[in-house]
Amino acid sequence: GIQVEQSPPDLILQEGANSTLRCNFSDSVNNLQWFHQNPWGQLINLFYIPSGTKQNGRLSATTVATERYSLLYISSSQTTDSGVYFCAGRPGNQFYFGTGTSLTVIP
Amino acid sequence: EPEVTQTPSHQVTQMGQEVILRCVPISNHLYFYWYRQILGQKVEFLVSFYNNEISEKSEIFDDQFSVERPDGSNFTLKIRSTKLEDSAMYFCASSVTSGANVLTFGAGSRLTVL
Repeated sequence: GIQVEQSPPDLILQEGANSTLRCNFSDSVNNLQWFHQNPWGQLINLFYIPSGTKQNGRLSATTVATERYSLLYISSSQTTDSGVYFCAGRPGNQFYFGTGTSLTVIP
Repeated sequence: EPEVTQTPSHQVTQMGQEVILRCVPISNHLYFYWYRQILGQKVEFLVSFYNNEISEKSEIFDDQFSVERPDGSNFTLKIRSTKLEDSAMYFCASSVTSGANVLTFGAGSRLTVL
């Protein structure tokens, strides 16, 4: 299977700060999604972004498919942004998850 | 917005007992999946299901696991004889097609094996 690396593994931010999370894939994928896992363990889909750039409020994501990486931008972070962010992609049927970035936003 | 629904949200069971986790995928979706996340670890693929049969499964999905679509709406994961290491969050997911399509996850079922 493909390897999915996420960086940084841990991130602590002051409320209001901006951040960039990165996801690298060892092989091409035809589906890439970013998820936020909240403190209750739920996986919330943030973006479906196999290529290009999308924005949703304070969040945006960019995927450069030819270079096999994706970036998630969080601007003006809030305490409710805390949690683990996962990227995941699939070259075929099976979805491969990264190890996640654990984000803590402090007031 | 359509949701994938999972029940129960939390189940505690004794080692050796059988457990059935239930999922109701989004109604027009054709591909169904189970994933597992052991506490503090990444989400791992267990099995995919299409057209009433398993299309792909991982090494984790051994003989103690089975999946079924007993009717037109439910999709179940059965663990025959639970072990301590089966304690995890189990996620059901569905998509319209395989490959290049959004995968929608349920809220998860937390299984605790004592």
